[in-house]
Amino acid sequence: AQSVTQLGSHVSVSEGALVLLRCNYSSSVPPYLFWYVQYPNQGLQLLLKYTSAATLVKGINGFEAEFKKSETSFHLTKPSAHMSDAAEYFCAVSEQSQGNLIFGKGTKLSVKP
Amino acid sequence: NAGVTQTPKFQVLKTGQSMTLQCAQDMNHEYMSWYRQDPGMGLRLIHYSVGAGITDQGEVPNGYNVSRSTTEDFPLRLLSAAPSQTSVYFCASRVSERTEAFFGQGTRLTVV
Repeated sequence: AQSVTQLGSHVSVSEGALVLLRCNYSSSVPPYLFWYVQYPNQGLQLLLKYTSAATLVKGINGFEAEFKKSETSFHLTKPSAHMSDAAEYFCAVSEQSQGNLIFGKGTKLSVKP
Repeated sequence: NAGVTQTPKFQVLKTGQSMTLQCAQDMNHEYMSWYRQDPGMGLRLIHYSVGAGITDQGEVPNGYNVSRSTTEDFPLRLLSAAPSQTSVYFCASRVSERTEAFFGQGTRLTVV
C-alpha cells in the first residue's frame, strides 16, 4: 500500500529565502504525486501534480517539484518565499488502478519578515 | 459548476446521536472520497468510491458508513457519534487515479 512521509511538521524561512518542503513516498508501482496547499480555515487547493510526464513539475505561485524515482522523493521548492506563502502544505500519492489518494501529515510553513 | 458541495458547514452533536454529512459534485467524477482532518494528523481517508455502487474502506473507517447510489452523491453517516469523531471532514472528487482531487469546503463537527 502506498504511503507518504513529510519530513518536518513545521518549517520557518525568512522572506526571500528558499523554500524546501520534503516529501517521500512508498509505492509498489509508479505513483501519481500531488502537492496541495491549505490556508487557514479554508479547503485544499492543488499546487502541482506529477503524472509520469516531465519529472520537473511547475505549479502555481512559483512553486515547483521534482520527481526522483531513485530517492522516492517529490520535494517542493520555491526560490524566494513571500509572506503570502505561509500556509500548510500536503503531499499526496495515488497509484494506478487504485481509488485512494493518500496524504502526508502536512508541513506548516511560516515566513518571517 | 458548483464543484463539490458539502452540507452542513458546522454541526454540534451529542454523544450517541447519528447524522449524515452530505456531499454532492456536479463534475461527473467517478471517484469520491471522505477525509477527516485533525491537528498534526494530516488528512486521513475514511471511505472512498470509484463509481456508483462501489465503496471501500480507507485508513479510519470505524464508526462511519457510506453508500454511493448515484455518481453525484456520496453521503457519510455517523452511526453513533463519539467525542473522538470531533474533526473537520472533507469530501473530494476526481476523474481518476491520475487526476487531482477537488475538495469541498469542509464540515466542522463537534461531538459533546
